[in-house]
Amino acid sequence: NAGVTQTPKFRVLKTGQSMTLLCAQDMNHEYMYWYRQDPGMGLRLIHYSVGEGTTAKGEVPDGYNVSRLKKQNFLLGLESAAPSQTSVYFCASSSGPLRAETQYFGPGTRLLVL
Amino acid sequence: GEDVEQSLFLSVREGDSSVINCTYTDSSSTYLYWYKQEPGAGLQLLTYIFSNMDMKQDQRLTVLLNKKDKHLSLRIADTQTGDSAIYFCAEKASGGSYIPTFGRGTSLIVHP
Repeated sequence: NAGVTQTPKFRVLKTGQSMTLLCAQDMNHEYMYWYRQDPGMGLRLIHYSVGEGTTAKGEVPDGYNVSRLKKQNFLLGLESAAPSQTSVYFCASSSGPLRAETQYFGPGTRLLVL
Repeated sequence: GEDVEQSLFLSVREGDSSVINCTYTDSSSTYLYWYKQEPGAGLQLLTYIFSNMDMKQDQRLTVLLNKKDKHLSLRIADTQTGDSAIYFCAEKASGGSYIPTFGRGTSLIVHP
């Protein structure tokens, strides 16, 4: 049981390039989330999904797109990377919407946009 | 709206107790969480408390909740160097939201 995994662990992009971050969970969780973490800003929610085939915008969705074609995977895409998207990206999952359900986090993807 | 505030830094001596504080604004908060993030890693749940509780203890960790003042604290007894990390407070409110709101995190530095 690997929990939540993220690919890649680290990436350097040039401005304007595109990339996809992959999140996978093996806990059969319905809910999945993408956050970005910046110094002094804490965690900010980018997009989330409440089930296979669904996506919704979070607090800072601009410049990102997501897809949830399979229940276990949640992809975060950057179509045209900008230096402001330099950050650490965390994926998380949870089993449901109940108040007590906690989130399980991946180890993070560190992205540098030059 | 929802807002969760934490101080950014705390420095303690090894062996002392650490107290990390958090305040929140949403009076309908039903669950409050403490997460720990070690360097280079993701967040891990440390503990959580229901809003109808005042205190929860788990080994070296004690969580205190003051609902009147909307204040949550995490006390770590006998703090060790391995406790050095960023600690995040998070809350979930009633009303159907299943997305927790996180504070900005408190960096705990433990020195000998």
